[in-house]
Amino acid sequence: ILNVEQSPQSLHVQEGDSTNFTCSFPSSNFYALHWYRWETAKSPEALFVMTLNGDEKKKGRISATLNTKEGYSYLYIKGSQPEDSATYLCAFNTNAGKSTFGDGTTLTVKP
Amino acid sequence: NAGVTQTPKFRILKIGQSMTLQCAQDMNHNYMYWYRQDPGMGLKLIYYSVGAGITDKGEVPNGYNVSRSTTEDFPLRLELAAPSQTSVYFCASSRRTGGWTSVSTDTQYFGPGTRLTVL
Repeated sequence: ILNVEQSPQSLHVQEGDSTNFTCSFPSSNFYALHWYRWETAKSPEALFVMTLNGDEKKKGRISATLNTKEGYSYLYIKGSQPEDSATYLCAFNTNAGKSTFGDGTTLTVKP
Repeated sequence: NAGVTQTPKFRILKIGQSMTLQCAQDMNHNYMYWYRQDPGMGLKLIYYSVGAGITDKGEVPNGYNVSRSTTEDFPLRLELAAPSQTSVYFCASSRRTGGWTSVSTDTQYFGPGTRLTVL
């Protein structure tokens, strides 16, 4: 069983605050690390995929970094908005095709 | 493209009944996955397939079976349903090209989910 851990489990911030979450994963058999955004009553949707150590990805106010040697990734949200409220999942994919998700960080942004 | 479709959307089963959850994708993806999501938890991998004719167990395979006779379809079979199988089931697919340079390597596209209750 592959351990993919996300922290914190939940986060409540005020509109305009910047925040970040952590995903830790095994450092062996690494293929790709994904971040997904999951809104209530919907299906997860992809945010980023990172494959190389040191990768950084950015989409609007959201960005992510990857450290495969130490086995962690950070997701940053700058100037949080109420529409950013969702559960953010990371997924660790191995060379063999297996995909393991963390339990997610649930973000609530208060207006 | 319809993407990933799942049927049914909702189902109530009695203990001991069996059923098949259907999943299909029209994106010519080689990889397909079945997950379950329990309340307050993330996604747990039940089974996955890296291509037609090839399947492998995930974290929580007990009580389930799968088959992958075509690239498009990946049905999940529940035999002898138990209350512990009450969950929301998501099917997903992705295209793995074998290299590390593709931007969309391994991104999973999810179906809308099937909510199953076993009473």
